[in-house]
Amino acid sequence: DTAVSQTPKYLVTQMGNDKSIKCEQNLGHDTMYWYKQDSKKFLKIMFSYNNKELIINETVPNRFSPKSPDKAHLNLHINSLELGDSAVYFCASSQGAGNYGYTFGSGTRLTVV
Amino acid sequence: AQSVTQLGSHVSVSEGALVLLRCNYSSSVPPYLFWYVQYPNQGLQLLLKYTSAATLVKGINGFEAEFKKSETSFHLTKPSAHMSDAAEYFCAVSGSNAGNMLTFGGGTRLMVKP
Repeated sequence: DTAVSQTPKYLVTQMGNDKSIKCEQNLGHDTMYWYKQDSKKFLKIMFSYNNKELIINETVPNRFSPKSPDKAHLNLHINSLELGDSAVYFCASSQGAGNYGYTFGSGTRLTVV
Repeated sequence: AQSVTQLGSHVSVSEGALVLLRCNYSSSVPPYLFWYVQYPNQGLQLLLKYTSAATLVKGINGFEAEFKKSETSFHLTKPSAHMSDAAEYFCAVSGSNAGNMLTFGGGTRLMVKP
């Protein structure tokens, strides 16, 4: 039974399109995150939600909009996709603050052509 | 503010040799420290964590790490490398920023030669 699941696993799309990535966790955690991993494997926090409330929004273009319908779901919508958005996007969750570590999903590889 | 530096983006060892992956951190408060492993085309899996208890932390797959406050280090070791250990390893710190989110180092790719 997958703890943090992301869909789709792979996403290939053209520049200018709008796409969404879904994330669900069944761990009962109250905090969820989106990270972006670039081609050099560097991981950067994008957003953090606690009980459906946004608590961290790093310097991410406003074309990226997270949506949390409930504390088990955190979706990522991207408008007007650009070539530079190509990356692997990871969803993660934790109970409370991140001091006890996160549980990560398996990632969504986004390729913009 | 907090940050993590992993020395060596690539480390190559022979099977059966000692594995040593270096991590130094910067934190304005007592840190929580983590090592994660990422196998190809997979997500990150927690190897071990330091949360202010014992300074020598044992994790999964025979890995361990030692927290050394005086050196601001949290190096990862394994006495004998196995081919299946080949992966990307990430050190991370939390504790001194908004939401106590994890800040990751740049990663170290471990290669194991037969």
